[in-house]
Amino acid sequence: DGGITQSPKYLFRKEGQNVTLSCEQNLNHDAMYWYRQDPGQGLRLIYYSQIVNDFQKGDIAEGYSVSREKKESFPLTVTSAQKNPTAFYLCASSRPRDRVNTEAFFGQGTRLTVV
Amino acid sequence: GQNIDQPTEMTATEGAIVQINCTYQTSGFNGLFWYQQHAGEAPTFLSYNVLDGLEEKGRFSSFLSRSKGYSYLLLKELQMKDSASYLCATLNSGNTGKLIFGQGTTLQVKP
Repeated sequence: DGGITQSPKYLFRKEGQNVTLSCEQNLNHDAMYWYRQDPGQGLRLIYYSQIVNDFQKGDIAEGYSVSREKKESFPLTVTSAQKNPTAFYLCASSRPRDRVNTEAFFGQGTRLTVV
Repeated sequence: GQNIDQPTEMTATEGAIVQINCTYQTSGFNGLFWYQQHAGEAPTFLSYNVLDGLEEKGRFSSFLSRSKGYSYLLLKELQMKDSASYLCATLNSGNTGKLIFGQGTTLQVKP
């Protein structure tokens, strides 16, 4: 079945550590996105990528890094420079507008807690 | 830049109809999405509009007016399970297209 998969579902990190969140899709989507959601808040864009080996900063990129070496994969690293990393992280992928029936789907999310 | 506005909260009665509005300002509009998100879960895709008019999918319909920068999501025959947050998002054009979300509208359906 086609879909977008995030792992792990829950992640605990000690202060000062880097941690990498995985996002994989087999939908043949070109665009991929990372969002952060805090309790009771909307989704804020961290990074996004339209094609392999290219990505752009979103509205809250500080303290995060990404890579897009393969079309299927868009991992997010939360670095120690991110001062308040505890949040729900969501990855999404979308089919370009020039294809029929543009769609954009989310993974199930990773809940990161700093301990 | 992109700016999206939605009401924060709405309440409706089971069996009724509710309309959730979304206004937006974006440089280079390339479509508008609606998502449903239950507490603690990931958003699920409801609809995508890029042309003016109404798109109907069962109990849910989505409307777009590009000239007014306005969309709404219409939910008919409300059920208790429709209690959730509803997120409006715009996609801008070009090779660096961003998918930006509003704050979401929390809908509470009461018996």
